[in-house]
Amino acid sequence: DIVMTQSPDSLAVSLGERATLNCKSSQSVLNTSNKRNYLAWYQQKPRQPPRLLIYWASTRPSGVPDRFSGSGSVTDFTLTINGLQAEDVAVYFCQHYFSTPPTFGGGTTVEIK
Amino acid sequence: EVQLVASGGGLVQPGGSLRLSCAASGFAFTTHWMTWLRQAPGKGLEWVANIKDDGTKTYYVDSVKGRFAISRDNAKDSVFLQMSSLRAEDTAIYYCARDAYYSDGSKNYSVDFFDSWGQGTLVTVSS
Repeated sequence: DIVMTQSPDSLAVSLGERATLNCKSSQSVLNTSNKRNYLAWYQQKPRQPPRLLIYWASTRPSGVPDRFSGSGSVTDFTLTINGLQAEDVAVYFCQHYFSTPPTFGGGTTVEIK
Repeated sequence: EVQLVASGGGLVQPGGSLRLSCAASGFAFTTHWMTWLRQAPGKGLEWVANIKDDGTKTYYVDSVKGRFAISRDNAKDSVFLQMSSLRAEDTAIYYCARDAYYSDGSKNYSVDFFDSWGQGTLVTVSS
């Protein structure tokens, strides 16, 4: 199974500042045939299910604010929150879907400094 | 609006059984693979099982193989998870989720990221 490792475990950022979250996979999640990275990011607020934020490493679903952006390729990925808002306090998970089973990172908790 | 409503959780003794249900609405159920995932209290997310849109293929995480069975009823837009020989480590919130799909222009492909999630149902395995 592919192991997903997120860092840091937690992050405190001032309102309006940038948060940078990292995710590393134990093997490549890049499909060289279609040149797509099989990597997603989710946001989970307390007592709620996860919400899809990013897929294909950098694509935002409709309705996700553009302050959320994803980048990276192969094994190293980043979720950036530009201009942190109070409602962004949550745990963020990365997930690969390159092979079965899809697996998740342990999560990064984002708090307000 | 896509809705997934999970039910059937509860307290069960070790070795016992439980059947979870997930009722879907607001989308073409028969065109999507469906998945169950779980989250132990205060822990991360774990993919448990998924089932093909027509129900002909199923896959499981190793820790539940032989104990859990995923199924679906496309006439009722529902997916199920039959859990048996339950263990304390199966204690978690169980979420049903819809698999996404993408098109390369000529064909649709199901992919295992999850664009809609239900609220979850809590399963507690304890004596």
